[in-house]
Amino acid sequence: AQTVTQSQPEMSVQEAETVTLSCTYDTSESNYYLFWYKQPPSRQMILVIRQEAYKQQNATENRFSVNFQKAAKSFSLKISDSQLGDTAMYFCAFFYGGSQGNLIFGKGTKLSVKP
Amino acid sequence: NAGVTQTPKFQVLKTGQSMTLQCAQDMNHEYMSWYRQDPGMGLRLIHYSVGAGITDQGEVPNGYNVSRSTTEDFPLRLLSAAPSQTSVYFCASKIAGFSYEQYFGPGTRLTVT
Repeated sequence: AQTVTQSQPEMSVQEAETVTLSCTYDTSESNYYLFWYKQPPSRQMILVIRQEAYKQQNATENRFSVNFQKAAKSFSLKISDSQLGDTAMYFCAFFYGGSQGNLIFGKGTKLSVKP
Repeated sequence: NAGVTQTPKFQVLKTGQSMTLQCAQDMNHEYMSWYRQDPGMGLRLIHYSVGAGITDQGEVPNGYNVSRSTTEDFPLRLLSAAPSQTSVYFCASKIAGFSYEQYFGPGTRLTVT
């Protein structure tokens, strides 16, 4: 069975500082995607960043980057220069070829950015 | 292009009532799914469909029915609502196959009293 674990239920960071959210996963698949989704108070699910398992290079999207350690099955999200608008729930998710498109989510990390 | 739409946005039901949560997409996506989100639980898959006439169960299907008569619509039916079904429900869609881009609707907050 595939599982995704986020071990930090809540985190806080000062505005303009850097924060790292942790995610580990378990799978025997070799071909898969990993994602970080952001859910602000509006409830909308927003894709922040994705990583293809076959790519060794870590994905980056502006202030968001990941540290993908395939052997360790670890996929952390680093947010640089944190902004008040980054306050949200963050979900790590996993999708593999045999899952028909079904995402497997972690339980989420609630991030608060403080002024 | 409306993307994925869900109605209603909020709903309060009494135990034992029935209702249908609507989901529609205008992107001609073959794959559609329903998730429920509960505090501390993340999102869990209820049912999914890979095309019109094809549906299958996810992780938490009990108490829910689905059907897919058209590519555009994927309604979720609660036949006899229970307080345990109080949750936020998300519909999502994507093209078939190993493509990553999944589009979520805005969610429906359902309260069962």
